[in-house]
Amino acid sequence: DIQMTQSPSSLSASVGDRVTITCRASQSINNYLNWYQQKPGKAPKLLIYAAFFLHTGVPSSFSGSGSGTDFTLTISSLQPEDFATYYCQQSYTTPHTFGQGTKVEIK
Amino acid sequence: QVQLQESGPGLVKPSQTLSLTCAVSGGSISRGIYYWSWIRQPAGKGLEWIGHIYTSGSTNYNPSLKSRVTISMDTSQNQFSLNLYSVTAADTAIYYCARVPGEFSGTDPWGQGTLVTVSS
Repeated sequence: DIQMTQSPSSLSASVGDRVTITCRASQSINNYLNWYQQKPGKAPKLLIYAAFFLHTGVPSSFSGSGSGTDFTLTISSLQPEDFATYYCQQSYTTPHTFGQGTKVEIK
Repeated sequence: QVQLQESGPGLVKPSQTLSLTCAVSGGSISRGIYYWSWIRQPAGKGLEWIGHIYTSGSTNYNPSLKSRVTISMDTSQNQFSLNLYSVTAADTAIYYCARVPGEFSGTDPWGQGTLVTVSS
């Protein structure tokens, strides 16, 4: 299985901050990398697919970058509704493994 | 707009079979190029990919569960199902069904999820 490792596991930030979350794959996954946002009691929501394509309806404050094994999710200006847990997932090969999640909390 | 809804027992006894169904509305599960997936999440923990069934009916499963899991589809009812055999307390989780348009696409949409507890 391909292991996905996110860092940090959690972070505290203020509204308006720029936030960066990193995801590393245990082997190259080309650009088969997706990002999700999950709020308590809710299903995950797709933010970014194929490393940098913004899903329909997702604010442009979210962006993704990277290729191969190293990827980044950036929130350019954190909004109150962005406090949540974020997951990366590789869809290069089955099983489509997820990172362990990064919880973004209010500072 | 495609919507998915999970249904099934919320409580399953150890060693028995967990059976869930995902009803799909707003689109046919037998048309297009889609993977129909199951993903689970134990309380307070991360997401685990269980497996998927392709529009053609072919399946892929997580090797960690492969010996205990079956995913099938019923095109007449426009739904797909998960069977997980010989469950233990470790299988207690929220189970989500979801759609994947292809390997180069993310998983979307998701069902709301259903909590299944394994306990005697």
